[in-house]
Amino acid sequence: GENVEQHPSTLSVQEGDSAVIKCTYSDSASNYFPWYKQELGKGPQLIIDIRSNVGEKKDQRIAVTLNKTAKHFSLHITETQPEDSAVYFCAATLSGGGADGLTFGKGTHLIIQP
Amino acid sequence: DARVTQTPRHKVTEMGQEVTMRCQPILGHNTVFWYRQTMMQGLELLAYFRNRAPLDDSGMPKDRFSAEMPDATLATLKIQPSEPRDSAVYFCASGSARTGYGYTFGSGTRLTVV
Repeated sequence: GENVEQHPSTLSVQEGDSAVIKCTYSDSASNYFPWYKQELGKGPQLIIDIRSNVGEKKDQRIAVTLNKTAKHFSLHITETQPEDSAVYFCAATLSGGGADGLTFGKGTHLIIQP
Repeated sequence: DARVTQTPRHKVTEMGQEVTMRCQPILGHNTVFWYRQTMMQGLELLAYFRNRAPLDDSGMPKDRFSAEMPDATLATLKIQPSEPRDSAVYFCASGSARTGYGYTFGSGTRLTVV
């Protein structure tokens, strides 16, 4: 089955700086890669996703890149703000439609220092 | 905003008791997932349904766990008998294969078995 590795487990950045979280996956057939943000006491919330036919996707201050050859994808957050502090999870699945079982990374605790 | 509703939010029970967690998926979503979150294992897929039919429950300890969808508006996860190692946050999520959206997670049920 699919295995997703996520790094780092904790990331502390100064407010206004950029943050990058990286994930690798094992199954070359996986074709859908979402990122989730989880705040304390809440369920994970989808923030951005990318499909295997696209190399990069942006949404305001967040972007995701995908390298299918190397089987890794990354989340980039620019101009970080205090409300970006949360745990971020990457995930991968085979279906491409976001409606089959996702395999999640272990999460990155992002801390934004004022 | 449409949301996935989970009840109860918190549950404390004694070892050996039956526990039932409920989930109301978003109207129109035909795929429902159950995930378990612990510090050690992260987010683990337990089971999922499409059009109310179970598709995969390989992540679930079948001797004590059972998942059902009695109708399109209700999914249940039961543990009988419960054990202290079942203590975790259980999330329900729903999605739609037709639209290709990522999952929407509920707020979770925090289960503590003493």
